[in-house]
Parts: sequence; structure tokens; C-alpha cells
Amino acid sequence: KNQVEQSPQSLIILEGKNCTLQCNYTVSPFSNLRWYKQDTGRGPVSLTIMTFSENTKSNGRYTATLDADTKQSSLHITASQLSDSASYICVVSGGSSGTYKYIFGTGTRLKVLA
Amino acid sequence: GAVVSQHPSRVICKSGTSVKIECRSLDFQATTMFWYRQFPKKSLMLMATSNEGSKATYEQGVEKDKFLINHASLTLSTLTVTSAHPEDSSFYICSAIPPPGLNYNEQFFGPGTRLTVL
Repeated sequence: KNQVEQSPQSLIILEGKNCTLQCNYTVSPFSNLRWYKQDTGRGPVSLTIMTFSENTKSNGRYTATLDADTKQSSLHITASQLSDSASYICVVSGGSSGTYKYIFGTGTRLKVLA
Repeated sequence: GAVVSQHPSRVICKSGTSVKIECRSLDFQATTMFWYRQFPKKSLMLMATSNEGSKATYEQGVEKDKFLINHASLTLSTLTVTSAHPEDSSFYICSAIPPPGLNYNEQFFGPGTRLTVL
């Protein structure tokens, strides 16, 4: 069964600290993996996208890694800011439905405190 | 970049009425749009795939007669929740895929519509 699992479910950190979010997937065949940020009451916004051959991708203070062998990805947030408080969703494309269908992770709710 | 809008952003209606939500791709044509539903603290759940000029494809468990989808043009898809009930209260999000050659297969999400059924 194609699944995407994320951990932790929720996380609270102090402003300025770093954190790492995890994503494990069982989607096959694999096309690509994306990390999205979703503010409360808003639609998801893309942070990074990685294909099978990419190990790491950065977008400002966000750095995503991908290990296609172990089917794991992580999103590292450096020097967190209050505005980083949001849900972070790992999304994998692929599976029997084709490359354009998204399989969503359960999300990690991050709260950054002053 | 590719921008997707939704209207309205919030709607409150009485039980038994119908509500229409619009999804527009503002700066690109989208032959395929998706409709999602998201409950509090849960991830997005795909409801249906909307293809311009043809019938929508619904996911298992989604009532097509209750959630009417019309993709009448390359920039507009509408979702109508018919005879809404309180359990239909949710956050509805659409996404659109640009044509080949521009972020191919990338879904761009709208800002969402909060539906509350009293």
C-alpha cells in the first residue's frame, strides 16, 4: 500500500533553534518527493521538490534530504522564526496512479515560541 | 509563478442548501484540477480529479451526486456541495496542473475555502 508517514506529529521549539522533520514512504514506483508548508487556514505552498537522483535541496533556511534506498526524507529548518509556525507536509508522487497524483503525509505541526 | 485562486474564502450556510466553490488558475491554463477536503489537524484528502471538458473522476467513498464538479473552461473548475449538512463542514482546497513544459505535473494549490454548515 502506498503510504507516507511523518514524524513527529507535532513539535514545539524556541525561536532561533533548529529542527528536523522526518518522512518515510512506501510509494512505488517513486517519481518525486515534495515538502510543503501550510499555514493555518491556507493552502499548501511548495518548499522543495526532489527526484530520485537528488540527495539534497535547499530553499533558504529549509534544507530537504532524500535517501531513495531507505525511502526516507527529512526537512531541516535552520534558525527558526515565529513565522515558521505551520504544518509541514511531505508529499510523494508516484504509485500506480501515475506521476501527477499526490500521496500526502500526515503532516508535522510546528510551533515556534518566542 | 502559477497562481490559483478560490472563491469564496469562507462561507456559512444553512443545512439543506447548496454551496458553490470556484477554483481559478489565474495565469495559466489547467486541463486538470483537483479537489481536496481537509478536516482539522488532518492532511488533505483527494475528493476528485477534474478534467476540462469531461466528467470528473471521484475517489472511492466520495458521492458524486453530492459533490458536483464542473470544469467548464481551462481556467475554471467549480465544486458544488448539494444539500449541505453539518458534517460537510470542512476546508476545501483545489489545485491545478500547468500544461506540459511549465512545472510539468506540479500541483499549485489554491488558498482554500472554509465551509461551515449550520
